[in-house]
Amino acid sequence: DTAVSQTPKYLVTQMGNDKSIKCEQNLGHDTMYWYKQDSKKFLKIMFSYNNKELIINETVPNRFSPKSPDKAHLNLHINSLELGDSAVYFCASSQGSFASGNTIYFGEGSWLTVV
Amino acid sequence: DQQVKQNSPSLSVQEGRISILNCDYTNSMFDYFLWYKKYPAEGPTFLISISSIKDKNEDGRFTVFLNKSAKHLSLHIVPSQPGDSAVYFCAASEKTSYDKVIFGPGTSLSVIP
Repeated sequence: DTAVSQTPKYLVTQMGNDKSIKCEQNLGHDTMYWYKQDSKKFLKIMFSYNNKELIINETVPNRFSPKSPDKAHLNLHINSLELGDSAVYFCASSQGSFASGNTIYFGEGSWLTVV
Repeated sequence: DQQVKQNSPSLSVQEGRISILNCDYTNSMFDYFLWYKKYPAEGPTFLISISSIKDKNEDGRFTVFLNKSAKHLSLHIVPSQPGDSAVYFCAASEKTSYDKVIFGPGTSLSVIP
């Protein structure tokens, strides 16, 4: 069983559309994240949730709205998609704070292409 | 503003030899460092970590060295195996920035049989 699973894996959509990427972890972790890997291959944190509460929101446009219905899920909704949103989005989870030395486990990534 | 740098986008090494991947950082507040490995079409997976109170951590074929004065760390893989061919990300964090992990751009390692 995949520890951190995200769907869809591939998504091609037109500019202006609204789309969601779902993420679920079965590790019992209390912290979940969304990362974006841009065209220069940098992995940048977008959001961090701990026990369903937003901890980090890294200067992400408010077209991006994370939703955490429970500790095991953190979905990413994107409104009015733009060409620059094309990237690979990784969901991840950890037990406790990463900064305290806990390992982050990543999902396989969702390839979003906006045309 | 790249706080974590991996200046070599790619590296090729012969099987059985040592692979050395380098990482530099600019933020002196970083106190925890990790290496992640990523295969194509998969998410990054944790490889090895080191706290700033140490200068070396070893796990099997993988050793990470930390030079705080130079703000430099390196990952040594010995002996290198073809299955080690992947992209390696260096990452860092500071305790005061809860969960704010900064990743480098990655180095693509090819181990040639």
